Amino acid sequence: AQKITQTQPGMFVQEKEAVTLDCTYDTSDQSYGLFWYKQPSSGEMIFLIYQGSYDEQNATEGRYSLNFQKARKSANLVISASQLGDSAMYFCAMREGEWGMDSSYKLIFGSGTRLLVRP
Amino acid sequence: SQTIHQWPATLVQPVGSPLSLECTVEGTSNPNLYWYRQAAGRGLQLLFYSVGIGQISSEVPQNLSASRPQDRQFILSSKKLLLSDSGFYLCAWSVDRVGRETQYFGPGTRLLVL
Repeated sequence: AQKITQTQPGMFVQEKEAVTLDCTYDTSDQSYGLFWYKQPSSGEMIFLIYQGSYDEQNATEGRYSLNFQKARKSANLVISASQLGDSAMYFCAMREGEWGMDSSYKLIFGSGTRLLVRP
Repeated sequence: SQTIHQWPATLVQPVGSPLSLECTVEGTSNPNLYWYRQAAGRGLQLLFYSVGIGQISSEVPQNLSASRPQDRQFILSSKKLLLSDSGFYLCAWSVDRVGRETQYFGPGTRLLVL
């Protein structure tokens, strides 16, 4: 089974509207971290937001928020007030295990969602 | 602030030729360093990571190798490139601190093996 699943290969959103990008994960570890990265056409992976498995509050960073539903093992990214510059690939990733264990250094990435913001 | 550099930005190499990609980090000490590869239209796959000078962990057996000769320098190498080595190579760094394990990526190197 895939560890990180992003079921939306492509999404459209109208400028200034909100959009939700889906991510589900699979782990048996109690300690893990979830990340979202943005990859514009230039290729650089830009860190957006992080959610730790023990964090009780949903993470927020400016226009980005992470809808963390632990029981459902989902970590959806919500982008509010979309801008044309938000058009890019978006990747969900997971870090498993207690920090410092060998497994914890590895980020497992999903296949990504391509977001296109329409003017 | 911390910055991460990779070079070259783009590389076209013939099959069987050697490879050396370099990554350096500024503004932090004793970072964890990582090499990832991204095939076209896919997510990233971890190749190597290093928690200190001379310490290399390999995730995927292949004809690539990595070295960390200095604290903030990470090198990806190959003695003989294969067609399947084509891809986008990204270097990343993180600090070794609980709750601060976010990995930050460099600009990447696009490698085309012909």
